[in-house]
Amino acid sequence: GAVVSQHPSRVICKSGTSVKIECRSLDFQATTMFWYRQFPKQSLMLMATSNEGSKATYEQGVEKDKFLINHASLTLSTLTVTSAHPEDSSFYICSARVPGRGDTQYFGPGTRLTVL
Amino acid sequence: RKEVEQDPGPFNVPEGATVAFNCTYSNSASQSFFWYRQDCRKEPKLLMSVYSSGNEDGRFTAQLNRASQYISLLIRDSKLSDSATYLCVVNCQTGANNLFFGTGTRLTVIP
Repeated sequence: GAVVSQHPSRVICKSGTSVKIECRSLDFQATTMFWYRQFPKQSLMLMATSNEGSKATYEQGVEKDKFLINHASLTLSTLTVTSAHPEDSSFYICSARVPGRGDTQYFGPGTRLTVL
Repeated sequence: RKEVEQDPGPFNVPEGATVAFNCTYSNSASQSFFWYRQDCRKEPKLLMSVYSSGNEDGRFTAQLNRASQYISLLIRDSKLSDSATYLCVVNCQTGANNLFFGTGTRLTVIP
């Protein structure tokens, strides 16, 4: 069964608005979660690593002021796309490692963001 | 050079056929290897980890060749439901998130 959930699954918004995406670990605690982005016909690209109780670690080229990450609890990380623009339209996916299952990452179902 | 390279395909095979995908990685220090399956507009789902000795799960066999730095996935007796994109994923460092994804190989199994 699913171990990571995401909400919402799909968002359509106007340019300039902010969108919050939630990622939850189900039945386990995740001190670290990961946020990816996938454009059509491209591979997943890691955006940032979300650390519970501390600042997220952003990959090179990802604007931390635009993609706000909050990991306030051991089961929830949120990604907020601030002042979204059409070029931010993408598939956003979070993942987490399950304790005891090594390096394997389990992905949430993803959030498809469309900015008009 | 990309960290992980895959032939994007598409591979179109008839039902019952055997198909193999290869993937190469550039970092010789890579430690963990995986095949994920991604259906259209869905999240990747773990298909299998790849172990040094090779491993099999039903119709799926994964192998690792460290000397040549490639990973393979063999699918026997292809089913229509196997149609998906198969992602080769490599972790360069245990405990960190140095996961690198290939662009995926698209497989279509034809009736």
